[in-house]
Amino acid sequence: EDKVVQSPLSLVVHEGDTVTLNCSYEVTNFRSLLWYKQEKKAPTFLFMLTSSGIEKKSGRLSSILDKKELFSILNITATQTGDSAVYLCAVGRSGGSNYKLTFGKGTLLTVNP
Amino acid sequence: EPEVTQTPSHQVTQMGQEVILRCVPISNHLYFYWYRQILGQKVEFLVSFYNNEISEKSEIFDDQFSVERPDGSNFTLKIRSTKLEDSAMYFCASSGRWDSRYEQYFGPGTRLTVT
Repeated sequence: EDKVVQSPLSLVVHEGDTVTLNCSYEVTNFRSLLWYKQEKKAPTFLFMLTSSGIEKKSGRLSSILDKKELFSILNITATQTGDSAVYLCAVGRSGGSNYKLTFGKGTLLTVNP
Repeated sequence: EPEVTQTPSHQVTQMGQEVILRCVPISNHLYFYWYRQILGQKVEFLVSFYNNEISEKSEIFDDQFSVERPDGSNFTLKIRSTKLEDSAMYFCASSGRWDSRYEQYFGPGTRLTVT
């Protein structure tokens, strides 16, 4: 069974801090790892990573994948209160008609002013 | 920016009743999905749909569940006879081409409450 483990489960920081969220996975025929931000309802797509060692960046957020060690990190620099959310990590497999994403439990990030 | 939409946002139903949850995926997308999230738990895959047929389904997706794409825009999830444990947030998602099928975009969800 595919496994996605995120840590920490929750984190409280002050505005301006930098945070690192972790995601480790065990999946047969790994294809891609995705990060989502979930505020009130829908998970909002942030990044999809398929290649090891290549950083994806969007503003203050960045992410990198290590396929050898089977993990990814999501960094957020200069955090703002609007970054408060649950951050979800998900993995997809390759092969056949496997399209599903397997999600971790998420990291609840609270950014205090 | 194109987005996935879902209706209704909240549905309350009695145990044993049928419900239909509706989704309008992003217009040029080809792959469609339903996920659910029971309160406090992980987002779980239910079913994927491509080329007018189910491509994969989870153990949760038993005979009580069905999906349909009745026209070129809507994608529906039907639960035939709801149970208390079906209470959850149901998310529809869609993705575009084969090589980006994992880049799934989620709708705002329908909160289903079964009483």
